[in-house]
This record gives sequence, C-alpha cells and structure tokens, in this order.
Amino acid sequence: AQSVAQPEDQVNVAEGNPLTVKCTYSVSGNPYLFWYVQYPNRGLQFLLKYITGDNLVKGSYGFEAEFNKSQTSFHLKKPSALVSDSALYFCAVRDRDYGGATNKLIFGTGTLLAVQP
Amino acid sequence: ETGVTQTPRHLVMGMTNKKSLKCEQHLGHNAMYWYKQSAKKPLELMFVYSLEERVENNSVPSRFSPECPNSSHLFLHLHTLQPEDSALYLCASSQDGLSRQPQHFGDGTRLSIL
Repeated sequence: AQSVAQPEDQVNVAEGNPLTVKCTYSVSGNPYLFWYVQYPNRGLQFLLKYITGDNLVKGSYGFEAEFNKSQTSFHLKKPSALVSDSALYFCAVRDRDYGGATNKLIFGTGTLLAVQP
Repeated sequence: ETGVTQTPRHLVMGMTNKKSLKCEQHLGHNAMYWYKQSAKKPLELMFVYSLEERVENNSVPSRFSPECPNSSHLFLHLHTLQPEDSALYLCASSQDGLSRQPQHFGDGTRLSIL
C-alpha cells in the first residue's frame, strides 16, 4: 500500500535562512512524487514533481526537492526563506506503474512552515 | 487563478437542510475529484469521476451524493449532514491516464454544520 509521512507538524525558520520540509514515502512500485502548498483560505497549489531523471527537481517560487531512492525521501528545500513562504505544505505520492483515475494520489498530513521576520 | 472554481466558498447549514456544492474546471481535464480536508487529518479522497463515470467511492456515507453531468462540472449534493461533516471540501481535476500530471485544486467550500 502507498503511504506518505511528513514527520514534522511544524517547521520554524528565520527569514533568509535555508529551509527543509521532510517527506518519506512508501510505494510497491516506482513513485511519482509531488509537493503542494496551501495558503490560508485557499486550495492546494502544485509546487513541483519528480517523475524520472535528475534527482534534484526545481519548482515554483525558488523551491526544490531532492529524490533519494535509497532513503525513500523527497525533502522540500529552499536556500533562503521568505515570510511569504509561510503556509501548509503537503507531500504526495502515486505509484507510476499503472495509470487511471483510480491510481490514487496519497497525501501526507501536511507540515506548517512558519518563517519569522 | 487555478482553473478550478468552487461555489459557494462558505456554507452554513443545519442538519436537516439540503444543499449542493458546485465545481467547474476550465482546464480541459477529463477526471474530477472530491476531497474532504479536516484539521490534523490527511486529505480524504471521497469520489473520483473519469469521463463522467464514477470510478471510485471511498465508502462515503450516503448523505453525500455526487453528480458529474459533463467533464467540466461536478456537484456534491448534501442532505441530513452531521456535525462531524464540518470541513473544507476541495474539488480537483486532472487528465486521466496521465499519472505524471498533478491534480489541480479549487479553493474549496468551507462547510459548517450547526
């Protein structure tokens, strides 16, 4: 069965410092991995995805994520945090070895990122 | 602008009322989804429609009734809801059969049951 774990409910970081939001996953086959961000009173907004190829994926707003197959991780990173990055971040996984709408996207419980000025 | 529009944004209803949530997507996708988002819980997938046919119902109570009249519109009909049904209901769409593509979400309907 597919699963995603985001071990931290909240991450606090000072503006200008690097940030990391952790995600580990479990799938029976090979994964497609996604990060989404949710601002207050908004829906989930797609940030970036790993499909295949280069393990370092770059996405919107200066975010990037590194796929590590041996550690089954897909941590979200940004070199220099902004106050406006404060939001709820969700990691999601899908098993890429079959398609169709019933191939569910499994979400983590979310990590609240708080960037202090 | 995400390309997925949900109305209303907020809804307060009593347990005996009947109401409907609406979702419309302008992305040309052929799969649509309803999710329930409650505080401190993972996102719960409720219903999946592909090419206007329901392909998955994750054991959702019958007081929630989905309808997908065409590939651009999705409804969630509500009746005799319970207080624990208070949550943010999110609609999403994607191109079915393309697992590498992300789902696109609307801004949700915040539902409060009195």
